[in-house]
Amino acid sequence: DAGVIQSPRHEVTEMGQEVTLRCKLISGHNSLFWYRQTMMRGLELLIYFNNNVPIDDSGMPEDRFSAKMPNASFSTLKIQPSEPRDSAVYFCASSSPTGSSGYTFGSGTRLTVV
Amino acid sequence: GENVGLHLPTLSVQEGDNSIINCAYSNSASDYFIWYKQESGKGPQFIIDIRSNMDKRQGQRVTVLLNKTVKHLSLQIAATQPGDSAVYFCAERVGDYKLSFGAGTTVTVRA
Repeated sequence: DAGVIQSPRHEVTEMGQEVTLRCKLISGHNSLFWYRQTMMRGLELLIYFNNNVPIDDSGMPEDRFSAKMPNASFSTLKIQPSEPRDSAVYFCASSSPTGSSGYTFGSGTRLTVV
Repeated sequence: GENVGLHLPTLSVQEGDNSIINCAYSNSASDYFIWYKQESGKGPQFIIDIRSNMDKRQGQRVTVLLNKTVKHLSLQIAATQPGDSAVYFCAERVGDYKLSFGAGTTVTVRA
């Protein structure tokens, strides 16, 4: 299994541009989490999907952020318009229906908004 | 090496020694705890987990101890190796799914 796959690994964009981050879950996993990591705030949960349905989006910073899960194996996180304070590393993680062995994280997307 | 004070951000340990990383958690209702290791440029990697009905669990070179009375979690690494240098996070599950992460401890292994 290739694990959780995120793309792109790095993204540099100008303020005001739209950014789309992508995540492919591990086959058989039915829960998907988007996290944001910064030095100041650590790892923060942005949104949680279960069986393709958004369950908890209370961590999404503002309306500029949106996430979708069009099918059981793929998710996108979109920021429109992007701002410099959105610069961070964005991780997605997935877990199995049993929740055993923790949550498996992808390698992250390092986003820089200039 | 041992960081006896909770929330200390760094731990330096001699190669071959045992490491102890401490973590305080906040929610007495948390039922599941995980230790993650994060190397530079990578995502958090699962190390070991423990459920609240246990107080100790062992893996390969690692042991997690849980003290629910004082809401304290520790990770012990035996015979620390250079490859163990990383940031270590404890996480508690609050409710059915939400993982809340600690600030992390940077472990540096001295050769």
